[in-house]
Amino acid sequence: ILNVEQSPQSLHVQEGDSTNFTCSFPSSNFYALHWYRWETAKSPEALFVMTLNGDEKKKGRISATLNTKEGYSYLYIKGSQPEDSATYLCAPRGATNKLIFGTGTLLAVQP
Amino acid sequence: KAGVTQTPRYLIKTRGQQVTLSCSPISGHRSVSWYQQTPGQGLQFLFEYFSETQRNKGNFPGRFSGRQFSNSRSEMNVSTLELGDSALYLCASSLEMTSFTDTQYFGPGTRLTVL
Repeated sequence: ILNVEQSPQSLHVQEGDSTNFTCSFPSSNFYALHWYRWETAKSPEALFVMTLNGDEKKKGRISATLNTKEGYSYLYIKGSQPEDSATYLCAPRGATNKLIFGTGTLLAVQP
Repeated sequence: KAGVTQTPRYLIKTRGQQVTLSCSPISGHRSVSWYQQTPGQGLQFLFEYFSETQRNKGNFPGRFSGRQFSNSRSEMNVSTLELGDSALYLCASSLEMTSFTDTQYFGPGTRLTVL
C-alpha cells in the first residue's frame, strides 16, 4: 500500500456543524484500516480499526465507514465541538503489516 | 498503566553529529515502531522491533538505525545528522503487531532540530 490520500487537507467548521472527510487507499492488498486523532501537543490516539467491507464503527459523535472494494473510508463527526479540533489520520495496513499513514485532515472547530 | 514514554522530548544538534532517542513501551507490549513526522509528509514509518529483532523496515537511509532491549525498551540512532532530519520522532508500542487489528499506542515524541 503506497498511496494513501486524505481529503480535504484542512477544514474549518462552526460549532454544531456536522462534517466528514475521506481516506482513499489502494483496494488491493488491504487487511485493515486504522483511524487516529492527533490533537496539538498530544500523542496520536486510536479511534477505530476496521477490516470488513461495509464495516461501520461509532464512538460518541464520531463514526466511520469502510468500502474495501473501492478503497475508501469516511469519517463523520456529528455536531462538531471545539474539542474535536485535531488532525485525523487514516492508516491502512497491508500484507507487510506496516501502518501507512495519510497526511491527515486538519479540523478546526470554531466556537 | 503508564503510557509510552520517550526521552528526551526536545533535542538540538548540529549537522554531522549523531543522536540517540529512547522509547519505553507500555508494560507488556513487545512491539515498538518508530515514525518520523515532517511538515507536509505525514507519519513516515522507520522500523519496527519485536523481541529484540527488527521485523519491518521503511525506506530510510542506513544512517537511521535502532535496537530493542530484552525489556522491550527501544532506542533509535541517527548518525551524521543532516538538516533534513529535523522532525518529530514518534514511537508506538503494541502487544505484538501480529494481528492486522492490533492497535499502536503512541508516545509524545521527540522533537529533533538539526542546525
